[in-house]
This record gives sequence, C-alpha cells and structure tokens, in this order.
Amino acid sequence: DIEMTQSPSSLSASVGDRVTITCRASQTISKFINWYQKKPGKAPKLLLYGAASLQSGVPSRFSGSGSGTDYSLTVTGLQPEDFATYYCQQTYNTPYTFGQGTKLDVK
Amino acid sequence: EEELVQSGGGLVQPGGSLRLSCVASEFAFSSDWMHWVRQAPGGGLEWVSRISPDETYTTFADSVKGRFTISRDNAKNILYLQMNSLRVEDTAVYYCARAKTVSGIGRYFDPWGQGTLVTVSS
Repeated sequence: DIEMTQSPSSLSASVGDRVTITCRASQTISKFINWYQKKPGKAPKLLLYGAASLQSGVPSRFSGSGSGTDYSLTVTGLQPEDFATYYCQQTYNTPYTFGQGTKLDVK
Repeated sequence: EEELVQSGGGLVQPGGSLRLSCVASEFAFSSDWMHWVRQAPGGGLEWVSRISPDETYTTFADSVKGRFTISRDNAKNILYLQMNSLRVEDTAVYYCARAKTVSGIGRYFDPWGQGTLVTVSS
C-alpha cells in the first residue's frame, strides 16, 4: 500500500496568512493526488485534483504543486471559512490512501 | 446538481449486519466507478471499497475484506455496502463517493454523500 505522510498534523494561522501543507508518498504517484477540505458533520469537499487542477467553484487562493513523491497545498490569504481539516489522497493505486489530515485553526 | 443521498446506518451489536444505500442523481451513475470511504470518531479518512460501472470489479481495504460486499443497481441508480460480522472498530461515518477520471491528469472523488453513522456496540 502507498503511505501518504502529511505534515504538519496541526497548524495555527490568522486570517490573511499564507499556509502550506505537504504530503509525501511512499512511492511515486505521478501527480495522482487530490486535496480535500473537511469540516465537522460535513462531507469532504474536493479542492484540487491531479496535484494542481482547481475544482470548479473553488477559490483561486487554493493552489497545489508537486511531482514524484512530494506534493503541497497552499492557501494564500486565509479566509474565515478556510479553518478546517485538510486531507491529501493518492489515487495512483488501490487502496486509495489518505494522509493523516492537517487541522488548521485560528491563532 | 450532481448528488448522492445516503440512507441506512445506525446502532448494531458486534457480529451483526447492516446495509448502507446511496442514491445518485443528476449524473450518469452507470458509467462511473463508485466508492465508500469512512471516518472513525476522532480519526482520519479511510478508503473502504470500490466497484466498477458494470459490477465486474470490486476492491476492498484489508480491514473489511471478507466481511463487506459492495454492489450497485444501475437501473435504480443505487450503490450498496453490505456490512457483515461487524466489529467495534467499524464504528464510523460512512461516505459514498463517485470517482471521476480525467485522462492524463488523474481521478478524484466528487460528489460525496452526506455521510451516515454506523455504531457497533453492545
């Protein structure tokens, strides 16, 4: 199975900040990585797919990059609604494993 | 708007069974791979199972293999997860999701169902 190591596990920031979350895969995943936002009691929301493609309707302050085994999600200019938990997911091979999650809260 | 609406779930004793349902609307359900993902209380997301559009292929996480089955009714646009021999550690919110493939870019899960809680406890 491909292991997705996500960091940090938690992050404190303020509105307007720029934050970056990273995911490292245990083998190359050829950009088959997605990023989701998860809020309590809600279903995960797709933010980015294929490492850098922004899902329709998602604000452009969210961006993704990376290749091989190392990927990142960046939020530039945090908004109040962005405080949530973020997960990466590889869809290169089943099981389609997720990172452990990064909880982003208000500093 | 593409939508998945889930039903089923609830409280069941260890060793018991439960079936979850997921009804799709506003997309070509019979053309898409469908998946189940779960989140245990206080835990992260865990991929559970998938099924091909024509039901030919199914795959399961090791944690549920041999106990869970996945199926679909393409005429009714319904996805199922039959859960047998349930364990306390199967307690989680279960989500269904459609997998969309974009050639040369990847595959992603969207939309997702609203989630349904399964509690395994005596």
